[in-house]
Amino acid sequence: NAGVTQTPKFRILKIGQSMTLQCAQDMNHNYMYWYRQDPGMGLKLIYYSVGAGITDKGEVPNGYNVSRSTTEDFPLRLELAAPSQTSVYFCASSRTGVSSYNEQFFGPGTRLTVL
Amino acid sequence: AQKITQTQPGMFVQEKEAVTLDCTYDTSDPSYGLFWYKQPSSGEMIFLIYQGSYDQQNATEGRYSLNFQKARKSANLVISASQLGDSAMYFCAMREVTGNQFYFGTGTSLTVIP
Repeated sequence: NAGVTQTPKFRILKIGQSMTLQCAQDMNHNYMYWYRQDPGMGLKLIYYSVGAGITDKGEVPNGYNVSRSTTEDFPLRLELAAPSQTSVYFCASSRTGVSSYNEQFFGPGTRLTVL
Repeated sequence: AQKITQTQPGMFVQEKEAVTLDCTYDTSDPSYGLFWYKQPSSGEMIFLIYQGSYDQQNATEGRYSLNFQKARKSANLVISASQLGDSAMYFCAMREVTGNQFYFGTGTSLTVIP
């Protein structure tokens, strides 16, 4: 049981380049999330999804796009990378509802630097 | 208004002592869940403990306990017998039953002193 996996672990982009951060979970969770964490700061929600084919914006969606074609995968696309997108990106998943069994499971993160 | 507020940016505790990390929340939803996560310097997010809004007793998980005061809308994390490995960032989070998001606080950096 791999949980939530993210690739790549590290990436350096040049300004204006594009890339896709991959996220997959094998727990059959309906809910998936993308966060960014700037140095010394908390988590900011970029996008989330409540199921295949359904996505919604979070607090900081500008400059990003997502898709959810399957329950397992939730890729995050960066178009025209900017230095302000330098951050650590976390993908997470959870079951539906509010209970002790429905905490978020986090991936290991992707450290992205835009130069 | 902030959904989750953590007012202690940094805390220090002596090894083997207990420490309380503060968390207050804001919601009008009668049903919600409160979560605490630990983020060590290695970066991963580790789930620690959960408290449901209808739970009658405070949650406990090993050395972690949650001091839940519903009327005050506070959900403080208590770590007993601190260990050097407890040095990390700690995040409080909330999920409302009517919503799809988890709301995170800004975190508290805990340093355990030998």
